[in-house]
Amino acid sequence: GAVVSQHPSRVICKSGTSVKIECRSLDFQATTMFWYRQFPKQSLMLMATSNEGSKATYEQGVEKDKFLINHASLTLSTLTVTSAHPEDSSFYICSAREPGARGTDTQYFGPGTRLTVL
Amino acid sequence: AQSVAQPEDQVNVAEGNPLTVKCTYSVSGNPYLFWYVQYPNRGLQFLLKYITGDNLVKGSYGFEAEFNKSQTSFHLKKPSALVSDSALYFCAVRHIPSNTGKLIFGQGTTLQVKP
Repeated sequence: GAVVSQHPSRVICKSGTSVKIECRSLDFQATTMFWYRQFPKQSLMLMATSNEGSKATYEQGVEKDKFLINHASLTLSTLTVTSAHPEDSSFYICSAREPGARGTDTQYFGPGTRLTVL
Repeated sequence: AQSVAQPEDQVNVAEGNPLTVKCTYSVSGNPYLFWYVQYPNRGLQFLLKYITGDNLVKGSYGFEAEFNKSQTSFHLKKPSALVSDSALYFCAVRHIPSNTGKLIFGQGTTLQVKP
C-alpha cells in the first residue's frame, strides 16, 4: 500500500514556542491531505483539509491562526502549532488521499506525532 | 447527516476463534466504507474498503468485511484471530457531500485477543 511519513514522531517543547510537523506521501502524489488530532482512547478528530496550492479548509472550532497548514507540493503538507500551550498536547496524525477513479480513492495515514507541551 | 457507529467499545476473543467487529452506518446515497487498524502510538493502517461490487470484501492480514445494505452494516471479520490482531479498529464512511474524500470515523473498537 501507499506510504505516508510524518516527522517528527515525538516532540517536547516549552509553552509559547511553535512546532512544525511534516507529512509526506512517499510513493504517490496527494492533492489532498488531512490533519487529525487524537486524544487517548478516542477517535480521530479532523482538524483541517489541506489542498495543494490553496488554503486549507478548517473544521468548525479549529483555530486557523493557531494551527497553520501549508501544502506546498503534491507530496508535502506541514502543520505548525503556533504558541503552543499544554492543552495542545496531543497525538497529531496526518493522512494523504491517494487518487483513484471516482469514489475509489483511499486515505493513507502517517505514523503520528506525539506533541507534549510543558 | 452521515454517521458511523461502532456499538462495542471492546471485543474479547480467544486466539484461534473467529472475530467480528461491528459497524453500522447512516448515509444518503451509496456508501463508501473503510476499515482501519491502529496499534498503540501509531497511525492508522488501511485494512479494506467497500466501494461497489461484491458484498464480501477481502483485505489485509486475513481480514474481510461484509457489506449489508438492508442492515446498513459493514462488520469486520476474521476466521481465526491472532494475539497480534489486538489493536484499536476504526470503521469509516466517506463524507459524500463535500467531495473532498473526507472520512467520518466511528468511535473505535478495541479488540483484545487472548492466548
